[in-house]
This record gives sequence, structure tokens and C-alpha cells, in this order.
Amino acid sequence: QKEVEQDPGPLSVPEGAIVSLNCTYSNSAFQYFMWYRQYSRKGPELLMYTYSSGNKEDGRFTAQVDKSSKYISLFIRDSQPSDSATYLCAMSYYTGNQFYFGTGTSLTVIP
Amino acid sequence: NAGVTQTPKFQVLKTGQSMTLQCAQDMNHNSMYWYRQDPGMGLRLIYYSASEGTTDKGEVPNGYNVSRLNKREFSLRLESAAPSQTSVYFCASTTRGGAAGANVLTFGAGSRLTVL
Repeated sequence: QKEVEQDPGPLSVPEGAIVSLNCTYSNSAFQYFMWYRQYSRKGPELLMYTYSSGNKEDGRFTAQVDKSSKYISLFIRDSQPSDSATYLCAMSYYTGNQFYFGTGTSLTVIP
Repeated sequence: NAGVTQTPKFQVLKTGQSMTLQCAQDMNHNSMYWYRQDPGMGLRLIYYSASEGTTDKGEVPNGYNVSRLNKREFSLRLESAAPSQTSVYFCASTTRGGAAGANVLTFGAGSRLTVL
């Protein structure tokens, strides 16, 4: 079983829709939960991260962590065509050199 | 503040040629990493350096060597390039967490390598 599982999609939604992206994980010791956005032919850009559990909001983006279910989510409200990208989840421990990535979900927002 | 800078952005090599990918970060991060990204394979760790003077193998180290030149710079060398090394290479860095700050990675823009 992989440490982090992420549905690869592709996911296609109309502009203005609410998008939900999800990852599950198996290691309860993870403390940092990251979401990266990767545009085509670009590097992964850190969108937001959460430490331990709870929610974090940044503009149209909300990250949620449910440690009891080992499940994290990224919600995008009022989605825009500029949100079209691949979204990667990643996890790490409080300290150390191990990072665990999902394979990414490809999102297309149709105008 | 440039973050993580990689050079070159694009490179075409012939089988058997050698080359070095350069990476520099200006965030005073302790740890640096080299990943490769291939379609359907996700990000795979090649080598990492937990701190200046140390390097360790990742998931796919064969055919590569690395040098942590100083705290800022971490290079990846292909001694004899093979077509299987055609990929996009990303350098990344982090504080390594704990009291040093959030244990999250910052990536460079990538180096696209084609081996013919």
C-alpha cells in the first residue's frame, strides 16, 4: 500500500464550480500536509500547507485535514480557468527528510 | 528573493554524454533534494542532502551523482547519459522542520532533459 493515495482524475468542471480534491494516507505520524499546484511545464508551487489537524483558508482555497480518517482535502471555491493545473498533495513529519507525494489530480476549469 | 534556481532549463544530450544540473537556493534552507518527474510516475527522489557535507540516496539514484557544494548549492551529475534519463528534473529545499521552521518543500522551475 502506498503511503499517499490520490485520485489522478482528470477532473473537469465548469467555471464557478466548487472543486474538491482529496488524498488519503496511511501513516498517522505525518504532521505537515501540503498542497502544490503545478501548471503544465512548470515546477510545483506550494499553494498552502497545514500543520497537524484542522482547516486553513486562503482566499478561494481551503485545506482540511481529518487525522482520524487519514484524509485531507483541498476545496476551491468559484473556480476559474486559471485554476486549471495538476494538484499534488504531499505529507511529511514534524522534522526530517522524508516527503510523500500523491501522484497528482489533473483539473480543468471550463469557461 | 529568488527561492530555488535551476540551470539549465532545457538540455538535449546524446547517449553517453555527461552533464551537470545546477541548483541554488537563497532561503538559508538546510536540506536540498533532486527529484525526477515522469508521466504516470509522479515525483521520484533521486538524491538528497540533509545538510552541508552530507548526501544520501533516494528511490532512483542509479546513473546519478550529486555534490552539496555549500549550504546554497546542490548539483546533480549524469556521468553517461542514457535515454531512460529523459525526464524533468526538479530541485527542492526545506528547513527540515522542527525549530528551524515548517517542514515543507520549495521547488525550482525544473530542468527538462532529453537524451537521444
